[in-house]
Amino acid sequence: AQRVTQPEKLLSVFKGAPVELKCNYSYSGSPELFWYVQYSRQRLQLLLRHISRESIKGFTADLNKGETSFHLKKPFAQEEDSAMYYCALLSKGALNRDDKIIFGKGTRLHILP
Amino acid sequence: DTEVTQTPKHLVMGMTNKKSLKCEQHMGHRAMYWYKQKAKKPPELMFVYSYEKLSINESVPSRFSPECPNSSLLNLHLHALQPEDSALYLCASSQEQSGKVVSYEQYFGPGTRLTVT
Repeated sequence: AQRVTQPEKLLSVFKGAPVELKCNYSYSGSPELFWYVQYSRQRLQLLLRHISRESIKGFTADLNKGETSFHLKKPFAQEEDSAMYYCALLSKGALNRDDKIIFGKGTRLHILP
Repeated sequence: DTEVTQTPKHLVMGMTNKKSLKCEQHMGHRAMYWYKQKAKKPPELMFVYSYEKLSINESVPSRFSPECPNSSLLNLHLHALQPEDSALYLCASSQEQSGKVVSYEQYFGPGTRLTVT
């Protein structure tokens, strides 16, 4: 079964401390994974995707196929990082147009001053 | 223009009403999506349109009827809704080219907050 698991509903971290938001997936093929973020009163937006291997706003995420994980990390948390973070998996259908994104349940990150 | 817009922002409707939600994008994206999001939950996919044709219907009740009149517009027609349909309805779009998804980055609108009384 295709599944995205975010084990933490809420993660509270002090400003300046490292952040790690956990994401595990279950997928039979070669996975494509994303992190989406939703700041308070703002729209849901893409933060980063594993194929780009980029760092956005200081966040990075490495795909670990052995552990089936795609954890989101940042070395030093900032107050503006407080938001809802969703890990997402591309589920490929039989036809390209059947492809869809499966979202995890989300983790609320709260940065403490 | 790199935004997805949605109207109205808020909608209150009775169970016997008929209303429509509208979504618009001018980024040339040919894949458009409707999601339903309940409070503190992830978005749940409802429908996907590819090149103005319905490609995915996630077993959504017929009281929700999508429509894609052209490549920039996506509507969701609502009729005889139930109170449990109250939620934030999100529209999104992504690039597609010749029927093949070029980028799975989905651009989301701000949503329409729907309350069914």
